[in-house]
Amino acid sequence: EVQLAESGGGLVQPGGSLRLSCAASGFTFRSSWMHWVRQAPGKGLVWLSRISVDGDRTRYADSVKGRFTVSRDNAKNTLYLQMNSLKAEDTAVYYCAREMVTDTLFDYWGQGTLVTVSA
Amino acid sequence: AIQMTQSPSSLSASLGDRVTMTCRASHGIRDDLGWYQHKPGKAPKLLIYSASTLQSGVPSRFSGSGSGTNFTLTISSLQAEDFATYFCLQDNTYPYTFGQGTKLEIK
Repeated sequence: EVQLAESGGGLVQPGGSLRLSCAASGFTFRSSWMHWVRQAPGKGLVWLSRISVDGDRTRYADSVKGRFTVSRDNAKNTLYLQMNSLKAEDTAVYYCAREMVTDTLFDYWGQGTLVTVSA
Repeated sequence: AIQMTQSPSSLSASLGDRVTMTCRASHGIRDDLGWYQHKPGKAPKLLIYSASTLQSGVPSRFSGSGSGTNFTLTISSLQAEDFATYFCLQDNTYPYTFGQGTKLEIK
């Protein structure tokens, strides 16, 4: 069974940093492109970032470019999102998602981890 | 960025009803669209990809149609487990963008 489990969320002060993890199981992680998506309270979903199977190709939404960094450790079956210079508007539930083999859509998501940026 | 406009934002229906919701793209996206079901505290679940292809394991009461800029998700006969929020996602162009969601509630 494919499972994605985010962790690392919590309360952080504005300007602070946080690293999210997404532990993958039930599939060949090293063969899957992966994404991060977030949803602020009461708002819609927003795509944040994508990383290739070997981690050498990444892409970011303009809202997080230069502040967030996506990476992966295929030996540990884990995806990461390093978030720096956090702002109040980064408060959201963060999801990781797997890209399909046969399409560029996401077929599996995690349940999300909540990040709250507040003084 | 391609804007996805989803409607309605909420919908009340009864068990057994047929319901339809739509997503409209600000630019043509061919059939590069998926539909998801999302329940609170759970992972979103893929229902339809490539606008009209039913994901494996998803009941056949779910169907999708459309191409270009107009897309529809239809549930043919509502079951109790279908009450949730539904959203669309375009994967034609980066940044990927989502519809705002349709909350399906019991009448």
